[in-house]
Amino acid sequence: DAKTTQPNSMESNEEEPVHLPCNHSTISGTDYIHWYRQLPSQGPEYVIHGLTSNVNNRMASLAIAEDRKSSTLILHRATLRDAAVYYCILKIGRGSQGNLIFGKGTKLSVKP
Amino acid sequence: DAMVIQNPRYQVTQFGKPVTLSCSQTLNHNVMYWYQQKSSQAPKLLFHYYDKDFNNEADTPDNFQSRRPNTSFCFLDIRSPGLGDAAMYLCATSSIGRGPGNQPQHFGDGTRLSIL
Repeated sequence: DAKTTQPNSMESNEEEPVHLPCNHSTISGTDYIHWYRQLPSQGPEYVIHGLTSNVNNRMASLAIAEDRKSSTLILHRATLRDAAVYYCILKIGRGSQGNLIFGKGTKLSVKP
Repeated sequence: DAMVIQNPRYQVTQFGKPVTLSCSQTLNHNVMYWYQQKSSQAPKLLFHYYDKDFNNEADTPDNFQSRRPNTSFCFLDIRSPGLGDAAMYLCATSSIGRGPGNQPQHFGDGTRLSIL
């Protein structure tokens, strides 16, 4: 399975944008880039995913590098509720049943 | 409204006493997954069902079994729990409609299992 590399932790101030980086240099052409987050004592929550183009939804934006070897999850205005562990995961597009292989993730702290 | 429901949220069992965790979904998804998450670690996939087809991960201990009697329900059975099996157990679902890579997984809030 293709691997992702994320910083162990990041800090942000409330109401400021947050850019969470992810490296995935061994990504294959059919791998989708998924982001999930996990708040304390809850199950992981889907945030966003993309293949080649940048993506926006109500929670966040996903910026994908042109060579697809890295991506950045953008939270436009961090709130205290965004404090969580954020996982960047490559999801195989073909020949699988959608399994997620979690890495260690980035623990995001948000300061008031 | 909760779409993936896990009961109970907290489960205590005795060392060696079989225990069953349950998961139900209202999404009508064809794939259901079970993950184990130990303290301060990332979730680890144990196995999944694609419809009625069971798919075990290579390193999942034989002590862990699963049943899926219908689309909505899936059970995780731990035959003889050891102290090392204390963890959060997460159930998730997904639909493989437009290709597995393009579908998100929906997680329940987990069952935290303690072993006495």
